[in-house]
Amino acid sequence: GAGVSQSPRYKVAKRGQDVALRCDPISGHVSLFWYQQALGQGPEFLTYFQNEAQLDKSGLPSDRFFAERPEGSVSTLKIQRTQQEDSAVYLCASSFGAAEGRETQYFGPGTRLLVL
Amino acid sequence: AQSVTQPDIHITVSEGASLELRCNYSYGATPYLFWYVQSPGQGLQLLLKYFSGDTLVQGIKGFEAEFKRSQSSFNLRKPSVHWSDAAEYFCAVHPSGGSYIPTFGRGTSLIVHP
Repeated sequence: GAGVSQSPRYKVAKRGQDVALRCDPISGHVSLFWYQQALGQGPEFLTYFQNEAQLDKSGLPSDRFFAERPEGSVSTLKIQRTQQEDSAVYLCASSFGAAEGRETQYFGPGTRLLVL
Repeated sequence: AQSVTQPDIHITVSEGASLELRCNYSYGATPYLFWYVQSPGQGLQLLLKYFSGDTLVQGIKGFEAEFKRSQSSFNLRKPSVHWSDAAEYFCAVHPSGGSYIPTFGRGTSLIVHP
């Protein structure tokens, strides 16, 4: 079956522009995570959804970052007034059950965002 | 707070040689431990994971890892590397109680020479 897909794969934005990044998780997966991966670093947690509920947004770096998953499937990560430090790869992952440490997360290919 | 250290930023090996990628973690209890591989332009793919029990775990693509509690390590090994193994490898700690937020190492880039 299809894995996690993300779009666009690449996005170039001018500083100050708003961007929206889409994640299509594996069908039926309850949990959805967003991560930010800076160049040369491992992924860092941004936010977590269980179905349509955003249960944790502790990793969002500022109030310019906003995520939603209104129907419990597709999720969108929105960044307002992009800054150069927002340049990174944004990874989405989903897992079958409610998030706990044993759950395997399935990652999408990521969206590479470059802010000029 | 949990942390993961991958001390080697780059590792270069010849095709057919053995491989060991190091991972050390800091966590209050025994965490759940994962190794992922990331090929260019791809997402992370799970290689193997450790929860409990046998400290030597087998994964996909011929990889294995050994959990050593006394050294807080979870090193990844492969007896004979193939050119297609060239990629970025990430060790991750998933909490074993309470939080579900994983912590990733910064990754080790594997270069394979023919």
